[in-house]
Amino acid sequence: AQSVAQPEDQVNVAEGNPLTVKCTYSVSGNPYLFWYVQYPNRGLQFLLKYITGDNLVKGSYGFEAEFNKSQTSFHLKKPSALVSDSALYFCAVRVTNQAGTALIFGKGTTLSVSS
Amino acid sequence: KAGVTQTPRYLIKTRGQQVTLSCSPISGHRSVSWYQQTPGQGLQFLFEYFSETQRNKGNFPGRFSGRQFSNSRSEMNVSTLELGDSALYLCASSLAGTPTSTDTQYFGPGTRLTVL
Repeated sequence: AQSVAQPEDQVNVAEGNPLTVKCTYSVSGNPYLFWYVQYPNRGLQFLLKYITGDNLVKGSYGFEAEFNKSQTSFHLKKPSALVSDSALYFCAVRVTNQAGTALIFGKGTTLSVSS
Repeated sequence: KAGVTQTPRYLIKTRGQQVTLSCSPISGHRSVSWYQQTPGQGLQFLFEYFSETQRNKGNFPGRFSGRQFSNSRSEMNVSTLELGDSALYLCASSLAGTPTSTDTQYFGPGTRLTVL
């Protein structure tokens, strides 16, 4: 079965420090991976995606993610955290079949950045 | 470009009633997908529509249904509401011309459904 795991329910970092939100996946075939962020009472905002090519993907708001095929991981990173980065982060993998597509999401990781 | 819009934003219903939620995709997007978000189950795929046809379906009972119109707008319907249907229902749109497309899904703000 295809799945995504986010092993940490919560990540706490101090403002200005680097942050990492972890994601591992299990899919058959080539993985199409995504990161989304959700602020309270809002929908999901797209941050970045990995389709193919360079293992380091740059996205919105200074976020980047590193794809590691051997470790089946797609960790989200940011060199210097901001208080405004505090939110719920979701990793997702796109699964396709002959019929259509769907995103399978991890359980989400709450990022808390303290000032 | 305007983003994905969903109406209504909040809805309160009682058990046994039915409800219809609406989603307008980003202009030019022809694929619309629906997801249910709950604290216990997280984000789960409901169904995907493309060119007025349901192209993919998640593992939900038949009480959950949807449709897509010729202008790509989509509605989902839940009949005979249960307490467990209380959730945030998210709609996402993408270009997604083919199932294997790598297009990004962009999400709307969601409809918060509370079933009493």
